[in-house]
Amino acid sequence: NAGVTQTPKFRVLKTGQSMTLLCAQDMNHEYMYWYRQDPGMGLRLIHYSVGEGTTAKGEVPDGYNVSRLKKQNFLLGLESAAPSQTSVYFCASTLRRTRLTYEQYFGPGTRLTVT
Amino acid sequence: ELKVEQNPLFLSMQEGKNYTIYCNYSTTSDRLYWYRQDPGKSLESLFVLLSNGAVKQEGRLMASLDTKARLSTLHITAAVHDLSATYFCAVDGDYGGSQGNLIFGKGTKLSVKP
Repeated sequence: NAGVTQTPKFRVLKTGQSMTLLCAQDMNHEYMYWYRQDPGMGLRLIHYSVGEGTTAKGEVPDGYNVSRLKKQNFLLGLESAAPSQTSVYFCASTLRRTRLTYEQYFGPGTRLTVT
Repeated sequence: ELKVEQNPLFLSMQEGKNYTIYCNYSTTSDRLYWYRQDPGKSLESLFVLLSNGAVKQEGRLMASLDTKARLSTLHITAAVHDLSATYFCAVDGDYGGSQGNLIFGKGTKLSVKP
């Protein structure tokens, strides 16, 4: 199993440009998440999805949109990139809630710079 | 507001010494997660603590959970350079009614020096 994969790994955008980050998982996980990581801020949740066709806002959703058309894929879109969106973006996934845990499995990250 | 606070945020240790990282949280969660992140890398799950009093150990790291005190500790025994990394604790969030979200602390950057 590849686990959680993300594309691209690096990207440089100019202010106002758009792009889509792709997250794919092959573990048949129901839940998927997009986080951003900034220095000294830990990880903050952008959007998440509890199943195919469903999405919801997290802590910092402004400026981002998401889609989950297939169970294995979760897309994060930036319609008009801003320098404040310079960050490292992580995708994560977890099994449907069991009695025990929401342990999340993370992708390798996408380092995005907006100039 | 749900908060997860780690301390210290930066920790410089000598090899062979012991130390503890603390994670305080403000929810009634009975589950707590510890992750490790190496520079430029992703997050790797270290421990999942599922109940009050839970203790887990892996090599030189031991994690414990006290849900009554809303406190988890990550104890490092006889530190070695390979343990240098950033360590995050996280608890279950409550977005939309327990949808599996985690709330992370800001991380503790550990540097182990000879």
